[in-house]
Amino acid sequence: KNEVEQSPQNLTAQEGEFITINCSYSVGISALHWLQQHPGGGIVSLFMLSSGKKKHGRLIATINIQEKHSSLHITASHPRDSAVYICAVWSFNTDKLIFGTGTRLQVFP
Amino acid sequence: DSGVTQTPKHLITATGQRVTLRCSPRSGDLSVYWYQQSLDQGLQFLIQYYNGEERAKGNILERFSAQQFPDLHSELNLSSLELGDSALYFCASSVDEPYNEQFFGPGTRLTVL
Repeated sequence: KNEVEQSPQNLTAQEGEFITINCSYSVGISALHWLQQHPGGGIVSLFMLSSGKKKHGRLIATINIQEKHSSLHITASHPRDSAVYICAVWSFNTDKLIFGTGTRLQVFP
Repeated sequence: DSGVTQTPKHLITATGQRVTLRCSPRSGDLSVYWYQQSLDQGLQFLIQYYNGEERAKGNILERFSAQQFPDLHSELNLSSLELGDSALYFCASSVDEPYNEQFFGPGTRLTVL
């Protein structure tokens, strides 16, 4: 079993829909990152969370440390949101960043 | 533009060869991280340097090594290359601690033939 699990693996949505991507982890963490990787390959850091909730534009990220779970929400999705979304956690036991396998999102007009 | 630069963008080489990938962090960032992204293994953390010193080590092979220089740029050296080393190699930087926001470079695509 992977230490960081994401669901779903693939997601298709119509423009305007509310999107949720989930991340569960099994290790103790210092922080959790949500990353976005576009088809061209570039990676952008969306959020870094150690507790609570963060919002940036149409994106919202939450984390529940006790349940070892995080969610990334996209409100009013748009075709330009089409990308792979990757959850990664910094493990304080092993002192390394562990990545989930990513969620491929496609938003159609 | 994240402010992190990587060179070269593409590299094609043969098995058994040695290559060096270069990364310049954002101005003011002290930490540099190296990651490998291959089709079959996804993104993997290789190594972190902080202000010239190795800080954390991930799944880095013994054939690979890295260093961070006094001007804070970093190099990743890959030797005795194998076909399976073909991947995208990303560098990222952050102000200090690894659980701060990281800024990623555009990556170097390495193809080993």
